[in-house]
Amino acid sequence: KAGVTQTPRYLIKTRGQQVTLSCSPISGHRSVSWYQQTPGQGLQFLFEYFSETQRNKGNFPGRFSGRQFSNSRSEMNVSTLELGDSALYLCASSLGDSHSPLHFGNGTRLTVT
Amino acid sequence: EDKVVQSPLSLVVHEGDTVTLNCSYEVTNFRSLLWYKQEKKAPTFLFMLTSSGIEKKSGRLSSILDKKELFSILNITATQTGDSAVYLCAVAGPSGGSYIPTFGRGTSLIVHP
Repeated sequence: KAGVTQTPRYLIKTRGQQVTLSCSPISGHRSVSWYQQTPGQGLQFLFEYFSETQRNKGNFPGRFSGRQFSNSRSEMNVSTLELGDSALYLCASSLGDSHSPLHFGNGTRLTVT
Repeated sequence: EDKVVQSPLSLVVHEGDTVTLNCSYEVTNFRSLLWYKQEKKAPTFLFMLTSSGIEKKSGRLSSILDKKELFSILNITATQTGDSAVYLCAVAGPSGGSYIPTFGRGTSLIVHP
């Protein structure tokens, strides 16, 4: 079974630009979660989508948004990029119930200059 | 606010040593505790624990949960250089219909030959 696939692997953007990251979950997984990982803050939860609906949201500004498509693929968008948005963005998929652990992709490394 | 604290922050050992990684937590609604290993990019799932006192084992790795004292340990026996990684502990509970893990900052383990 293929794992969680994230594209692109690396991105370099300048302040003020916007960016879209993509995530394809494991086949059969309907839940997709997004995390931001930085050395200072560790893994911070952004949001979770289940069956195309945002089911949960972390404490990030409205510049961070996402969506999920009918095939469970998900995209995350960050608008008006700031230097502090430089991070590894990890996507994880699961069956979405209490017995199912998250399975992570390799992440997208975003650098904002 | 849910909190997960891991100790030590970092650990340097030699091959063959046994290590114990600690994870303590404070959460509003506990459902499960998870351990992940992160080498380069994607955290990979190791264990999910839901019941107190039941040891989960996989090869040289084992983990146990104490729900009364709110902590878990991850043991690695006969360490190898391939065990070098950041080990992440996370606690998940029900929230808005989903089970979003809150992660600790991780323990960085370096195993020297």
